[in-house]
This record gives sequence, structure tokens and C-alpha cells, in this order.
Amino acid sequence: QVQLVQSGAEVKKPGASVKVSCKASGYTFTSYDINWVRQATGQGLEWMGWMNPNSGNTGFAQKFRGRVTLTRNTSISTAYMELSSLRSEDTAVYYCARDFGRLGEVSFDYWGQGTQVTVPS
Amino acid sequence: QSVLTQPPSASGTPGQRVTISCSGSSSNIGSNTVNWYQKLPGTAPKLLIYRNNQRPSGVPDRFSGSKSGTSASLAISGLQSEDEADYYCAALDDSLNYVFGTGAKVTVL
Repeated sequence: QVQLVQSGAEVKKPGASVKVSCKASGYTFTSYDINWVRQATGQGLEWMGWMNPNSGNTGFAQKFRGRVTLTRNTSISTAYMELSSLRSEDTAVYYCARDFGRLGEVSFDYWGQGTQVTVPS
Repeated sequence: QSVLTQPPSASGTPGQRVTISCSGSSSNIGSNTVNWYQKLPGTAPKLLIYRNNQRPSGVPDRFSGSKSGTSASLAISGLQSEDEADYYCAALDDSLNYVFGTGAKVTVL
């Protein structure tokens, strides 16, 4: 069965970076884009960006350009999201999600369990 | 700040029908398909509707989606206690950003 398993919770100081992993199983990792979404406590869902695991191509929400890096290691079917220059407003649960959409559509059918990132103020 | 607007809340008694609206623009809902996600506290979002009105395998047919112009709706018929959750619409924007709605909390009275 398809699974996305993320790394554990992190506590980081302001100005530091955090790297979250997302290990895929149960399907061909390079066949579906991986997206990253976050949710701060009491807030809504916020899309951050996407990565094509086959080509390594990426795209980002304007808000995160220059601060987010998306990478992958195809040999272990794992995607990574690194967020730099952390501030307290980045405290949130971060999710990876598989995009099964075709022909220009975007739909996230499988999600990781979420990774809590805390940046104390 | 989300570009897809939803009412903050909706409610109904068990068995009732509840509808949640999602208002966008010509650059997102007006030109791309709409998805709906259910978010329970402490769990990952779950895809309820894709391509405006398609249900993934395993999603009860009590959930239905529709789209007209720059707006979309999610209907929950035969409301059940386990439907109490936050619901988000989402669509691709022509700027190639994927945008979520503001979210609507459904309460079962």
C-alpha cells in the first residue's frame, strides 16, 4: 500500500534551518510529484511547493522562494524539504503529499503523517 | 492570505444536508479543477473530491462536489457525527500556485 513516512518533530532556534524527510513506499517514487503543505496551529492549509522526483524540477509559492529547498534521493525513494532562516511564524506541522493529478491537474491523494517544527520566539 | 473564500463554519443535525461554498476567480476555479479535503485534528488531510466532483475510492457517496463558473460547493448529505471536521477547497491557480480555501468547520449538532 502507498505510504509516505516523515521524519520526527524538530525544535529549532530562530535563524536556523530545518530539513524534513518524506520516505515513499508502495509505488514508483519517480512517477508522481511530491508537494509540501504546512499548517500552523489554528490556521489553514498553506501550499509551499512541489518537486518532480524524476527530473528534480521544482516550483514554489512566492512566499517561500529563496527560503525553501526541495531535493530527493531516488535510491531510497525519499524527498526532502529544507526551510532556512527560520522564524517563530514558521512553527507549524509540515506535510508531504503525493500528487496524482494528470493533464495539468493537481490532487493530493496520499499524505505523510506530518512533522511538527517548532521555532521558539 | 487565501484567494479561495469559504464560510468559516457550517452546522447541521445528524441526517441533515450541509453545503459549503468556495468562491474563487477566473484564474483559479474558473480555469482549473477543484479538490476538497477533510482535515481532522491531529491527522493528515484526506482527499474527498477531485476534479470538481469525483470521489476517490473509499469516500462515501454522501460527499459530493460541484462547480459553476468561479465557485464550487461541497455537499454532505446524511450528516454523521464523524463528519465533524474542517473542510478545505483547493485549486491550481494560473500563476502555478496551488491554493487552498480559508477552510470551513463543520459542526454536527
